[in-house]
Amino acid sequence: EAGVAQSPRYKIIEKRQSVAFWCNPISGHATLYWYQQILGQGPKLLIQFQNNGVVDDSQLPKDRFSAERLKGVDSTLKIQPAKLEDSAVYLCASSLEIGGGWGTEAFFGQGTRLTVV
Amino acid sequence: EDKVVQSPLSLVVHEGDTVTLNCSYEVTNFRSLLWYKQEKKAPTFLFMLTSSGIEKKSGRLSSILDKKELFSILNITATQTGDSAIYLCAVLKVGNEKLTFGTGTRLTIIP
Repeated sequence: EAGVAQSPRYKIIEKRQSVAFWCNPISGHATLYWYQQILGQGPKLLIQFQNNGVVDDSQLPKDRFSAERLKGVDSTLKIQPAKLEDSAVYLCASSLEIGGGWGTEAFFGQGTRLTVV
Repeated sequence: EDKVVQSPLSLVVHEGDTVTLNCSYEVTNFRSLLWYKQEKKAPTFLFMLTSSGIEKKSGRLSSILDKKELFSILNITATQTGDSAIYLCAVLKVGNEKLTFGTGTRLTIIP
């Protein structure tokens, strides 16, 4: 079974530039998560999708971050404009809905390490 | 606001020692608690605990959940250098499947 695919693996940009990350979840997984993990901290949920609908985006800085999940499969996360404090690893994860509002554990992609200089 | 607190933040032990990692939580609509191991970037799944008092075991790793006291422990016996990693605890909510992580425990095993 193919895992969660993310690209790019690494990205270095200057502050005020834009950047986009792509995630392809495991086939059939309805739930997709984007996390930001700053060095030394645990993953912080930015946005959660159920199919192509947003379940939670309460911690997404909406003035600069945006995300979409077209057709309920692939997802992109964009930062525009980037700030120095956005330097982090961006993790995408997906889980399978097994019915009754329950799902499996989340499976993670390899992440994108973003450095803003 | 949902809270997941792990302790200790960092732990250094010698190979062969046994370690216990702690995770406490305050979450509404709790469904399950999950443990992950993070060596480089991608966390890998270890355990999902839904019922109190039932130990889950995989080789030298084991974990148990106490839903009354709102905590879980992860035990690693006969530690090896390959166990060096960040161990993350997360809680999953009923209904919306929101997954909230703690800060992690960085475990270092000295040969």
